[in-house]
Amino acid sequence: KAGVTQTPRYLIKTRGQQVTLSCSPISGHRSVSWYQQTPGQGLQFLFEYFSETQRNKGNFPGRFSGRQFSNSRSEMNVSTLELGDSALYLCASSLGTGGASGANVLTFGAGSRLTVL
Amino acid sequence: AQSVAQPEDQVNVAEGNPLTVKCTYSVSGNPYLFWYVQYPNRGLQFLLKYITGDNLVKGSYGFEAEFNKSQTSFHLKKPSALVSDSALYFCAVRLRIKAAGNKLTFGGGTRVLVKP
Repeated sequence: KAGVTQTPRYLIKTRGQQVTLSCSPISGHRSVSWYQQTPGQGLQFLFEYFSETQRNKGNFPGRFSGRQFSNSRSEMNVSTLELGDSALYLCASSLGTGGASGANVLTFGAGSRLTVL
Repeated sequence: AQSVAQPEDQVNVAEGNPLTVKCTYSVSGNPYLFWYVQYPNRGLQFLLKYITGDNLVKGSYGFEAEFNKSQTSFHLKKPSALVSDSALYFCAVRLRIKAAGNKLTFGGGTRVLVKP
């Protein structure tokens, strides 16, 4: 079956602009999580959505936001881009979330590499 | 707050030799533990997880990991490394509470270089 699909794979923006990244989870997966990967900070959790509701949010400023649609597809948006937002943004999907489903494996997409100039 | 430490930024090993990537964690309670691998320009791929039970967990591609509760460690091992194992390896933890959802806390990563 198809994996997690992220678009676009690469993009370049300038400071002050905004960007929207898209993630299509594996069919049947209802949880979508987003992570930011940078050389300096490593992998950091952004947020998780399950059944169109934000379940968790990481320690990022309000410029970072997301949403999930009824078909489980998710988007994340970063407004007023800063140079430090340059990163690989990874989306991951899972069948369930939390509790007994906590052992569920996250399946990651290939990521969207954002460069802010 | 939980934290995961991978004390080695890079591990060099000759092909055919044993490979060990170290991971220790600081988390309240008994977390779920995971190992993921990342190849260049790719996302993370799941290798194995510890839920409960046997302290030795076997995973994909011949990898295994040993859970040690007293040392709060979860070291990744492979008896005989291949050149194709060269990649970036991440250890991660997830709390066993519903409120934690699927949030993973990752270590900083260890780059493995297997030389022919």
